[in-house]
Parts: sequence; C-alpha cells; structure tokens
Amino acid sequence: DSGVTQTPKHLITATGQRVTLRCSPRSGDLSVYWYQQSLDQGLQFLIQYYNGEERAKGNILERFSAQQFPDLHSELNLSSLELGDSALYFCASSVFEGSMYNEQFFGPGTRLTVL
Amino acid sequence: GDSVTQMEGPVTLSEEACLTINCTYTATGYPSLFWYVQYPGEGLQLLLKATKADDKGSNKGFEATYRKETTSFHLEKGSVQVSDSAVYFCALSLFFYNQGGKLIFGQGTELSVKP
Repeated sequence: DSGVTQTPKHLITATGQRVTLRCSPRSGDLSVYWYQQSLDQGLQFLIQYYNGEERAKGNILERFSAQQFPDLHSELNLSSLELGDSALYFCASSVFEGSMYNEQFFGPGTRLTVL
Repeated sequence: GDSVTQMEGPVTLSEEACLTINCTYTATGYPSLFWYVQYPGEGLQLLLKATKADDKGSNKGFEATYRKETTSFHLEKGSVQVSDSAVYFCALSLFFYNQGGKLIFGQGTELSVKP
C-alpha cells in the first residue's frame, strides 16, 4: 500500500458525459501528479500540482482540468468524454515539487470506460 | 525531446533464468532514473532508482546502473521467480526550478516467468 488513495476504482460512462476522479496523496506529500495509461499512448504525464498551485502541464486535453484543494487532495475533471478517453488514470504524490531525489508514490488507479 | 526507450516485450523466461531489460534515454539535462513495476491489476511501485552517473540502484535482487556514457539504465536480475511476472517501466525525471518533476516513462516491458 503506497498510501495514495484514488476513487472510484472503476467508472463506466457514456460519450459526452463529465466525470470527476479523486486522489488523496500520502500524508505529508505536497505534490500531486496525474498520469494516463492507455494501450496506444502508454503512460503519459497530464498535470502536476504543488501545494495547491499548478506546477507543470503535459499532454492534457483542454476538455480535462484538475485542481488541488487546501487539504491537498486533488480532483481530475474529464468532460465531453470520447471513446478514446477510456484509460487507466493514475495519481501519484511526492514530498517535493521536483528534485533529483523526488520519489513518486502511485495510487491504484481509476479505470475509466467510455461507452 | 526527453524520452525513454525500452526493449519490447513480452519477455518469457523460465524460473531461475537471468533477466536483462534494456532501457536507454534521451535527456536535455542530467536526469534521475527509475524502474517501476506494475503487477496485474495494481498501480506502479518503485523498484529502484539512481540519481547520478555510475550510481547503482538495487532492490529485491534487481539491479540497474546509471551509465551516462551510453545513456542507459538496464534492469538485471540473476535468478527470476514466478512472482516477478509483471510489467516493468523505465522512467526518467528532470528537475528544473519551478517546472515540476514529472516522470517520463518508457513503453513498458511485460515479463512472464514460467515455473
């Protein structure tokens, strides 16, 4: 158990809908990262928050947004869903914003299926 | 851009065989290097890491040495077990001040160990 929790574990929805994925980082970690894992794209970095502020952005679609709340949990919002958004979404956390020693701890993931 | 390339899988070995999974990287700076493992149905777990050239990371019988001259970080184990069956990801992280610490992953290598 990494100490990172993600809910829900599975999510099935229809095209055009909007969903929210939730992540609670390990106690004491200030950074939260979101990654998408799909068969064709592999593991791709989406976005990072550090202590409530956006710190880095990857290949995140405009239909996707995220935020980190004062209690440090984070939510990833996916809207106008398409079939191609079906994937495993991982949250990770780390103590630092980024450093050569920055070990990231991953949650179990949320499997999103868009029908 | 920064990237990681891993040998393609799946790799199928008999128990007690030697394992090598090749990983090479391209990076604009001096990255930290990681191996993560993903067991079926689970999130990613950090297996080992190295933060500078010639460092050797090791854990659970696995080893990898950070080779700057060949930009490589190959994963090795002398004697694999059935329980090592999983997908292995090589990753790098570059730290630039105020730009976060995202991980860039290779495509993953599936290992299957037969009794």
